[in-house]
Amino acid sequence: KQEVTQIPAALSVPEGENLVLNCSFTDSAIYNLQWFRQDPGKGLTSLLLIQSSQREQTSGRLNASLDKSSGRSTLYIAASQPGDSATYLCAVNQAGTALIFGKGTTLSVSS
Amino acid sequence: EAGVVQSPRYKIIEKKQPVAFWCNPISGHNTLYWYRQNLGQGPELLIRYENEEAVDDSQLPKDRFSAERLKGVDSTLKIQPAELGDSAVYLCASSLGRTGGQETQYFGPGTRLLVL
Repeated sequence: KQEVTQIPAALSVPEGENLVLNCSFTDSAIYNLQWFRQDPGKGLTSLLLIQSSQREQTSGRLNASLDKSSGRSTLYIAASQPGDSATYLCAVNQAGTALIFGKGTTLSVSS
Repeated sequence: EAGVVQSPRYKIIEKKQPVAFWCNPISGHNTLYWYRQNLGQGPELLIRYENEEAVDDSQLPKDRFSAERLKGVDSTLKIQPAELGDSAVYLCASSLGRTGGQETQYFGPGTRLLVL
């Protein structure tokens, strides 16, 4: 059974710092991996989707990498801002079905 | 383009009462998902539809939960009777459904259910 783990569970950084969020999964047979952002009391916003054949995806200050063979993905946030404060969820798509999520990393960026 | 619409946004009921949630996916999206998110956890799939057909309902507690997607567009998720442990956020998501589920899933704002 696929399991997705996110470390750390919570992270606090000062504004301007670069940071990395980690995601690991136990079964490398995935179609893709998706990173989401969830603000308190809100739904999920898709940030980046990496297909299994890709190594990384970039969007603005965000860069996500995927190492399928080792079962790892990282989300790199450059020059963090208070508006980046949210919970970041990693999810893998296995066999083209539903997403399997980690528990998330709650990020707090202080000004 | 309108996103995934869900209603109600919040619902408070007493245990043993019925409750229903409604979802309108993004126009043209054939695949619709219902997820449940417990506090401090990631969402977990309840049911997935391809058009009007439920293709994966293995995680749906069928003794009390039911769902339908008439005409392959809107969907309703029902709980009857609700239990205290059903308190959670119920998220609806949709995707194009043209690449075997490999495309981005778009989520609605969710319905927050509190069972007293």
